Amino acid sequence: SQTIHQWPATLVQPVGSPLSLECTVEGTSNPNLYWYRQAAGRGLQLLFYSVGIGQISSEVPQNLSASRPQDRQFILSSKKLLLSDSGFYLCAWITGYNEQFFGPGTRLTVL
Amino acid sequence: AQKVTQAQTEISVVEKEDVTLDCVYETRDTTYYLFWYKQPPSGELVFLIRRNSFDEQNEISGRYSWNFQKSTSSFNFTITASQVVDSAVYFCALSEVNYGGSQGNLIFGKGTKLSVKP
Repeated sequence: SQTIHQWPATLVQPVGSPLSLECTVEGTSNPNLYWYRQAAGRGLQLLFYSVGIGQISSEVPQNLSASRPQDRQFILSSKKLLLSDSGFYLCAWITGYNEQFFGPGTRLTVL
Repeated sequence: AQKVTQAQTEISVVEKEDVTLDCVYETRDTTYYLFWYKQPPSGELVFLIRRNSFDEQNEISGRYSWNFQKSTSSFNFTITASQVVDSAVYFCALSEVNYGGSQGNLIFGKGTKLSVKP
């Protein structure tokens, strides 16, 4: 069966520091992968999606970036965090039946 | 543009009551998918259901049921005999059909927070 992992689960970072969040998927190959952000009290917003290694599409302009160095690895990064980057970050993959399954999420607090 | 509206921000019920969560969507696509997800306090999004735009049959799964009506662009979710464990934020979402290599990304509503009191 397929499993999606996210690391770390919780992160507290100062403004201006770098960021690296990792998402890995098991049990499937060549998945479409997605990064969403959920700000406090709000819905989820798509940040990036990837249909394959090295292929990244950005949905909203921001100081975040994403990379897909391996088939089942999706990384969310920032060179300098802003206060507004605080939120709950969720990685997801999509099945052939158009069902998106989500990882456990990373709760990021920028101070 | 695609849009999902969940007008109910918060709902509070007493255990064993039935509760309906509303979802209205907008899309120009003729083929699309609708979803419901549950987000318990732990934060993880739990997939509940996917509905194809061509399938308007209502679905029942235990205490959960979904009413899809294309005429009103609604996909409402009803929990029968609610329980405390049903307390969570529920999200309705819409996506275009993902034909291998296309987007398939989800457009979410803002969620409805359901509190079920004992």
